Amino acid sequence: NAGVTQTPKFQVLKTGQSMTLQCAQDMNHNSMYWYRQDPGMGLRLIYYSASEGTTDKGEVPNGYNVSRLNKREFSLRLESAAPSQTSVYFCASGGGIRYEQYFGPGTRLTVT
Amino acid sequence: LAKTTQPISMDSYEGQEVNITCSHNNIATNDYITWYQQFPSQGPRFIIQGYKTKVTNEVASLFIPADRKSSTLSLPRVSLSDTAVYYCLVGLTGGMRFGAGTRLTVKP
Repeated sequence: NAGVTQTPKFQVLKTGQSMTLQCAQDMNHNSMYWYRQDPGMGLRLIYYSASEGTTDKGEVPNGYNVSRLNKREFSLRLESAAPSQTSVYFCASGGGIRYEQYFGPGTRLTVT
Repeated sequence: LAKTTQPISMDSYEGQEVNITCSHNNIATNDYITWYQQFPSQGPRFIIQGYKTKVTNEVASLFIPADRKSSTLSLPRVSLSDTAVYYCLVGLTGGMRFGAGTRLTVKP
C-alpha cells in the first residue's frame, strides 16, 4: 500500500517551459488535491477534485491546469513556468467531506 | 472557510505535556477541526480531528469548548521527534486553508 505517490521528486525548469506533475493514490479516495508550499509558509490549495470527473479552483489556481485522469490519478500542469512558481508541490487525497487527508512526499520545483 | 489563529512558535522539553491552542472565531456549524503535523521536507500528516468536546487517539487529544471558537491540541509527554510544525484547520469540503502553523521545538 503505497498511499500517495508523486513524480518527479525534483525538477528544474527554465522560464516558459511546461511540465506535468503526476500524482496517484491507491486508497480508493474520491477526493484529490494539489497544494503548493513556499518557504516558511503553510500550504495553499491550487486545485482540487471532489470526485472523478470534477475539478475546482482553490486559492491560487492561476498558471496551473489539472486533470483527474481516473479515480487514482490527478495531474497538475504548468503551461508556461514562471519563477514565482518555484515551490514545493504536494498532492493529497481524502476519503470524504471531513478533512482527513493523506499527503504525498512532494515535488520540489525550481524555475530559473 | 474559517480563519484560524495559532502561536507562531513554542518551546518545550522532553517528557512535558504540550498544549497548542487555535482560535477560530467564525467557525461554521458544520465545520470540523483538524490538526496536522509536518516535518521538514515531508507532507503534512493527519493527527486528529473533532467536532465538539474531547477526542483522543493514540498520539494526541483534542479539546473543543462548547462554543467551538477555539480548540487545543494536547501532546502528552513529548519527545525530540515531536519537533515539527503543527497546523490547525477548520472547514468542510473544498480543500483546506493552511495558516503558518505553530513551530514546536522540543529540547532535551
